[in-house]
Amino acid sequence: NAGVMQNPRHLVRRRGQEARLRCSPMKGHSHVYWYRQLPEEGLKFMVYLQKENIIDESGMPKERFSAEFPKEGPSILRIQQVVRGDSAAYFCASSPSHRDNYGYTFGSGTRLTVV
Amino acid sequence: DAKTTQPPSMDCAEGRAANLPCNHSTISGNEYVYWYRQIHSQGPQYIIHGLKNNETNEMASLIITEDRKSSTLILPHATLRDTAVYYCIVRGTGGGADGLTFGKGTHLIIQP
Repeated sequence: NAGVMQNPRHLVRRRGQEARLRCSPMKGHSHVYWYRQLPEEGLKFMVYLQKENIIDESGMPKERFSAEFPKEGPSILRIQQVVRGDSAAYFCASSPSHRDNYGYTFGSGTRLTVV
Repeated sequence: DAKTTQPPSMDCAEGRAANLPCNHSTISGNEYVYWYRQIHSQGPQYIIHGLKNNETNEMASLIITEDRKSSTLILPHATLRDTAVYYCIVRGTGGGADGLTFGKGTHLIIQP
């Protein structure tokens, strides 16, 4: 079991470009969570998805950010028209059930740098 | 989710037991206590969780007070690789859509 796979590990974008971050959950996990960690700050919840559905996006900025978890393939966090303030580490986690009390398995993250 | 309070930082000598406290005085009956840690530049790592009883696994032990208002994570023989930020989180399994909420945690520094 390869664990939660995130790619790319590092992503550099110029202001105004689009960033696409991918997350493949652990095998058998249908629940995906995205978190953002700004430099020198804690982890902030962004969005919770279950296959093909957004369950909770209360932590997502209202504009430019979107997430999906299609029936086939990885979950995608998409940031349009990136700005310098989007520079951060983005972590994805998965679990077999939202009610499961085993906790989440996190990936190694994608470090986004906007220049 | 109930809020937690942790000291911002702690030191521990290598080879000694590291005891990390957490207060969660507003915890409700169905909320579990989870511990995660984040080693610099890595993704958070699940350590242990519990509801009422003390728990032990290959990484750590979790001691929960009888009134459940506080808990202690114990790393029995700390090594330099245990230097990390440790997060204590309380979360119910009864539903709700929100994910784990991370606070500021405790920065544990293991001294050689």
